[in-house]
Amino acid sequence: AQSVTQLDSQVPVFEEAPVELRCNYSSSVSVYLFWYVQYPNQGLQLLLKYLSGSTLVKGINGFEAEFNKSQTSFHLRKPSVHISDTAEYFCAVIRGGAQKLVFGQGTRLTINP
Amino acid sequence: DVKVTQSSRYLVKRTGEKVFLECVQDMDHENMFWYRQDPGLGLRLIYFSYDVKMKEKGDIPEGYSVSREKKERFSLILESASTNQTSMYLCASKPLQGAYNEQFFGPGTRLTVL
Repeated sequence: AQSVTQLDSQVPVFEEAPVELRCNYSSSVSVYLFWYVQYPNQGLQLLLKYLSGSTLVKGINGFEAEFNKSQTSFHLRKPSVHISDTAEYFCAVIRGGAQKLVFGQGTRLTINP
Repeated sequence: DVKVTQSSRYLVKRTGEKVFLECVQDMDHENMFWYRQDPGLGLRLIYFSYDVKMKEKGDIPEGYSVSREKKERFSLILESASTNQTSMYLCASKPLQGAYNEQFFGPGTRLTVL
């Protein structure tokens, strides 16, 4: 069975600082990888996804993620965060042909002025 | 603009009550999902449906049932609510084909069972 581990439950950073949210997954087959963001009192929305091809994926709001097959990681990065990036971030994985997305535990990103 | 709507943002019920959570999507998606979200546990799949009247159990189906009578509507039912079902409930939908397609989420229903 697939699993996803988000290594940090909370990440506090100062505004305009860089941030990395870590995600590792376990799977012996090819998978598709996603990052979703949940702003306060809202549902989840897609930030970016990796399907194939270039290992560096760019998403909305200046976020990007790098797929590393050898380390089974899909870390999310942003070079300079803004107060509006305060949210919970979820990494998720799905096997090709499957219907069920497997989510990580979530990382709460807090931006301090 | 695509949309998934949930019938209530906040709901307070008493132990033993029957609870209905409704979800409607306007994207003509075949797949619909119900998740519960708890701090530190992420999202856990309760049930999903890939067609009208079709359903499959997710990872935590105990204490829940679902109904899909129309393609656009997917209901989650708590037959006899208990305090350990206090949680945030999220509905999502996606097209049937393509595991790579994103899921679209509703705003969530925060259920409190007293």
